[in-house]
Amino acid sequence: NAGVTQTPKFRVLKTGQSMTLLCAQDMNHEYMYWYRQDPGMGLRLIHYSVGEGTTAKGEVPDGYNVSRLKKQNFLLGLESAAPSQTSVYFCASRLPGRFGTGLSNQPQHFGDGTRLSIL
Amino acid sequence: DQQVKQNSPSLSVQEGRISILNCDYTNSMFDYFLWYKKYPAEGPTFLISISSIKDKNEDGRFTVFLNKSAKHLSLHIVPSQPGDSAVYFCAASTNTGTASKLTFGTGTRLQVTL
Repeated sequence: NAGVTQTPKFRVLKTGQSMTLLCAQDMNHEYMYWYRQDPGMGLRLIHYSVGEGTTAKGEVPDGYNVSRLKKQNFLLGLESAAPSQTSVYFCASRLPGRFGTGLSNQPQHFGDGTRLSIL
Repeated sequence: DQQVKQNSPSLSVQEGRISILNCDYTNSMFDYFLWYKKYPAEGPTFLISISSIKDKNEDGRFTVFLNKSAKHLSLHIVPSQPGDSAVYFCAASTNTGTASKLTFGTGTRLQVTL
């Protein structure tokens, strides 16, 4: 009963280093999302994907790249980490469709987050 | 521009009493609203939702009320229990496009005391 799994859970990077955060879901969900949460702010959407091989920008995409090579995985990459990217990152997934329409009335399911510190 | 606002960062309620968490929004295109609950070191978990065509939705101890004219929604928890202590996020979505992107509020930390 894994749901949405994020790895790693914690990471400390130096400015300029690169890394990839992995999100894996076992619910066969089409849609996947990456958010960041900062103190005093709600979750903000970085990038999202509506299916394997597709990605799109969210509210705060700068400095991040994503890939969805397999339906169950959604990767978030930081090519050159900056202190402003210190945050808690959450991945989410959901079934396709639109809210308010019967079968597609499904919420997003979240992983437990990755706490990333950039020095 | 904060389109979804939770103006109370924290709320303390005695066990057994009613907890009322409030949320305001500015975007009139929002047509679906959700509440998520978050414990420390865990991801948000879905709690309850409401479509803009309704003004109330109830699930056990949790009821969400929507006032479209005031662009306001509230979550009522009755009776409040210590396990309800968590951060509650209000979120809103529009039906434009199929990605169902959510816009979140900043959260309200609820503490239920004995």
